[in-house]
Amino acid sequence: DQQVKQNSPSLSVQEGRISILNCDYTNSMFDYFLWYKKYPAEGPTFLISISSIKDKNEDGRFTVFLNKSAKHLSLHIVPSQPGDSAVYFCAASARRGNEKLTFGTGTRLTIIP
Amino acid sequence: DSGVTQTPKHLITATGQRVTLRCSPRSGDLSVYWYQQSLDQGLQFLIQYYNGEERAKGNILERFSAQQFPDLHSELNLSSLELGDSALYFCASSVTPADYGYTFGSGTRLTVV
Repeated sequence: DQQVKQNSPSLSVQEGRISILNCDYTNSMFDYFLWYKKYPAEGPTFLISISSIKDKNEDGRFTVFLNKSAKHLSLHIVPSQPGDSAVYFCAASARRGNEKLTFGTGTRLTIIP
Repeated sequence: DSGVTQTPKHLITATGQRVTLRCSPRSGDLSVYWYQQSLDQGLQFLIQYYNGEERAKGNILERFSAQQFPDLHSELNLSSLELGDSALYFCASSVTPADYGYTFGSGTRLTVV
């Protein structure tokens, strides 16, 4: 039962353009969402998070949007840079009494110079 | 270097054998998490320890066990190994259980032949 879904296994974007990575979830108890970035041969690195009380969180070039009614979140990267090429994982948690993260299967982002 | 150290980086072993994966958390972090990533899958939560005590358990097989020692390092023991146990095993740490910006290690790649 995949409670967090990233339906696009891969995405290619031209350098300088906007990258949009999508994530859907099914568990209505999830109230905290995170994005992690992973380079080959390294562990995932925390990128940005959002609580369910917000619908947008911004950190530099990275913005996460949350649509609770659609159970959908997205990560926008503007402008995209070659160093952004990596696998991006969406993760979610139901914070109350449950601190584990449930991860999606990841989206491989390739930035084309 | 994320500050979370996992050893060994690679492990090849035969079916039926037992292995131990080791994790040293980032300095000051009390909470340790173990995740498994099988081919083309997201990270699956296995188990969490906080300051030496088991705090949460995921879909961890009975053949698998873990512990966190007084010096806060953790070990994941995998026994009666099967081909399907081949995966990347990640350890992550955080200051407190409520801190979701986990710091991940670079993982141990286990291959069962």
